[in-house]
Amino acid sequence: NAGVMQNPRHLVRRRGQEARLRCSPMKGHSHVYWYRQLPEEGLKFMVYLQKENIIDESGMPKERFSAEFPKEGPSILRIQQVVRGDSAAYFCASSPIPSGANVLTFGAGSRLTVL
Amino acid sequence: AQSVTQLDSQVPVFEEAPVELRCNYSSSVSVYLFWYVQYPNQGLQLLLKYLSGSTLVKGINGFEAEFNKSQTSFHLRKPSVHISDTAEYFCAVSVRVAMDTGRRALTFGSGTRLQVQP
Repeated sequence: NAGVMQNPRHLVRRRGQEARLRCSPMKGHSHVYWYRQLPEEGLKFMVYLQKENIIDESGMPKERFSAEFPKEGPSILRIQQVVRGDSAAYFCASSPIPSGANVLTFGAGSRLTVL
Repeated sequence: AQSVTQLDSQVPVFEEAPVELRCNYSSSVSVYLFWYVQYPNQGLQLLLKYLSGSTLVKGINGFEAEFNKSQTSFHLRKPSVHISDTAEYFCAVSVRVAMDTGRRALTFGSGTRLQVQP
């Protein structure tokens, strides 16, 4: 059981480029959550997805950010036309059921640096 | 909406001394409470959780926390810290946001950086 796998671990992009972050949940987990951690801050919820569905995207910026969790393959967090303020650590977590008593399992994160 | 306040952004402490990291939350409904630890350049690991039952919860690495409903607090304690405990610690609160599915949302505090000095 490899746990929650995120890649790339580190990603450098120039302003205006696109960033794609991938998350493979734990085996048997069909619920995926994305969080963003800005420097010196806690984790902020971005989006919650089940297979092929976005359940809650209330924490996602309205523009440039999108997420998907296809039937096959990892969940993808996509940031278009990145800006310096997007520099952060992006964490993915998974759960076998809607989170709560079942604790989320976190990946090691993807650290995005925008030059 | 619920909020989580970690009153101390940094806590320096000497090795083998006791430590308490404070956490207060705002929700008035039934909550689940968690403490996570984040070592440098790593993801979050669960230290302990409170779901119900005894208000004193014991976790890994010798940590414990006490749920105080009247004070809406969930402070983390360790009687004797080690250098290896140096890390960022996050308190988190889970509340139900969808009655039909039982789905809950997890809100994190801003973190407390524990710095253990020799």
